[in-house]
Amino acid sequence: GEDVEQSLFLSVREGDSSVINCTYTDSSSTYLYWYKQEPGAGLQLLTYIFSNMDMKQDQRLTVLLNKKDKHLSLRIADTQTGDSAIYFCAETENTGTASKLTFGTGTRLQVTL
Amino acid sequence: KAGVTQTPRYLIKTRGQQVTLSCSPISGHRSVSWYQQTPGQGLQFLFEYFSETQRNKGNFPGRFSGRQFSNSRSEMNVSTLELGDSALYLCASSTDPNSPLHFGNGTRLTVT
Repeated sequence: GEDVEQSLFLSVREGDSSVINCTYTDSSSTYLYWYKQEPGAGLQLLTYIFSNMDMKQDQRLTVLLNKKDKHLSLRIADTQTGDSAIYFCAETENTGTASKLTFGTGTRLQVTL
Repeated sequence: KAGVTQTPRYLIKTRGQQVTLSCSPISGHRSVSWYQQTPGQGLQFLFEYFSETQRNKGNFPGRFSGRQFSNSRSEMNVSTLELGDSALYLCASSTDPNSPLHFGNGTRLTVT
């Protein structure tokens, strides 16, 4: 079955860049996603990348995709205290629908002053 | 545009009871999916509906069921509740099954 792996914890200082990494297993995934979850809240869609792309940039966020190594990363530039949250990467299963996602365990990002 | 709305936000039930959770998708979204989030198992897919039809189902027992109405609103039902059903239940919607999912804030179910 599919398995998505992430490191559990990352601590960065305010103003630095954060890089959150993820490895996935389904090479046929159509989309790969990054979601953010703050305490007591649901999942906020941050960004996503098509499997035929290598990079996507959206303001402070940069997503890099290495299909050969099945590695996905999310870079947050100029990290702020409001970025403290749990970040989930997710892949789509090849069922003919992009709605069935397999999530990683989540990376807790702590931003210190 | 309003986001995905889930009601209620919090629910406390007793073992053996049943519960119904409600989800209103973003206006214009016709696909609705449900996920369960627990500390031990993380985020797990429950089911997906599109045009009132269940298209996919996750690996959950038959006590978990759902449906979608003609206005795309969805409900999920859990019968004969067990302690292990305590979780955050998240609903997500998309314009169609091939589009990105947008999640609601969830319903936190506690079974005592």
